[in-house]
Amino acid sequence: QSALTQPASVSGSLGQSITISCTGTSSDVGGYNYVSWYQQHPGKAPKVMIYDVSKRPSGVSNRFSGSKSGNTASLTISGLQAEDEADYYCSSYPSSKIWVFGGGTKLTVL
Amino acid sequence: QVLLVESGGGVVQPGGSLRLSCAASGFTFSDYGMHWVRQAPGKGLEWVAFILYDGSNQYYADSVKGRFTISRDNSDNSLYLQMSSLRAEDTAVYYCAKDRGLHFDDWGQGTLVTVSS
Repeated sequence: QSALTQPASVSGSLGQSITISCTGTSSDVGGYNYVSWYQQHPGKAPKVMIYDVSKRPSGVSNRFSGSKSGNTASLTISGLQAEDEADYYCSSYPSSKIWVFGGGTKLTVL
Repeated sequence: QVLLVESGGGVVQPGGSLRLSCAASGFTFSDYGMHWVRQAPGKGLEWVAFILYDGSNQYYADSVKGRFTISRDNSDNSLYLQMSSLRAEDTAVYYCAKDRGLHFDDWGQGTLVTVSS
């Protein structure tokens, strides 16, 4: 199973909005509403920010939102804050109990 | 609150074996499927294995199939990963993670496995 495609890096200024894309195929991202997004700060464990494409776990800021169009999912962070600077990973559950991750995107807050 | 604590990592020679453990607390362990996910130094996340809530089925990434075995002991709230025929490319931080609706809901802090001679 191939990894999902994410940009290696994105950047944005404090208070601005950014979007991170996650491109797969019709066999994973496009075929199922099981896309999730994870935030990882250096030396820390990942934390789920979005699941089932657009659902937000309890406790996650509503500045984080998710969407999907065709084979591409997106994570949008609005009102960028310094603490949002981290690595972000998308994940999908294609089928047959196999999970895949994207390569990760490093977010820099300017 | 949910707590997942991995242990058992260390340095092992190529071709060697190692058993990782994950102690779970703060939730009904026997109700949830569990994963192992790894992250090589400076690299991204890679899903490794999944076991159903009752241990009845296990699933593996192609990269570890036939070498790694995931298991659990619901009476002890513990998850395991038996790793054999280890290779340099298995060097990584290994995380256990709780499954919830096909995503990774809670994560441990990880344990580092280094395969080196």
